[in-house]
Amino acid sequence: RKEVEQDPGPFNVPEGATVAFNCTYSNSASQSFFWYRQDCRKEPKLLMSVYSSGNEDGRFTAQLNRASQYISLLIRDSKLSDSATYLCVVIPGGGSYIPTFGRGTSLIVHP
Amino acid sequence: DGGITQSPKYLFRKEGQNVTLSCEQNLNHDAMYWYRQDPGQGLRLIYYSQIVNDFQKGDIAEGYSVSREKKESFPLTVTSAQKNPTAFYLCATQGSGETQYFGPGTRLLVL
Repeated sequence: RKEVEQDPGPFNVPEGATVAFNCTYSNSASQSFFWYRQDCRKEPKLLMSVYSSGNEDGRFTAQLNRASQYISLLIRDSKLSDSATYLCVVIPGGGSYIPTFGRGTSLIVHP
Repeated sequence: DGGITQSPKYLFRKEGQNVTLSCEQNLNHDAMYWYRQDPGQGLRLIYYSQIVNDFQKGDIAEGYSVSREKKESFPLTVTSAQKNPTAFYLCATQGSGETQYFGPGTRLLVL
């Protein structure tokens, strides 16, 4: 079983739609979680951290479900500029700070 | 201007040649990482360094070498032993807050 799994997509949605991605992780002791955005042929950039209490930043909401070992990213009112690959990142904890990256979920927002 | 720089942006390697990718940072971060990304794939860890003069192999270190003589610099050498080096190479730093920050990447192509 892969440590961090994401549906590769692509998720193809119209402008204005709400879309949600999930990311599952296998290590129940994992302590920190992040969502990154990667545009085509560019480097990943931090989108948001995922806190136990959830995290909202404008149209983006991230949530953590420790019991089921997954994190989610919800994008409301999708814009064309949201088209990108969204990477899930998990820090294992237990003294290790080396992140594990998911393979990413591709989002395409069309007019 | 703070950040991470990688050079060159594009690099061409001839068969049997060693090439070195540069990564420099002025974020004063202790930890630095090298990743490889193949088309449509996730990030795979090559090497990482958590402190000057110390580095560790990642998941795919064979055919690569690194040095960490200065906090600011973490160059990656792709040796002739790496038989399939064509990829997008990303350097990242990590501060005390666990978040990783990426440089703009180097695309390595084999002639």
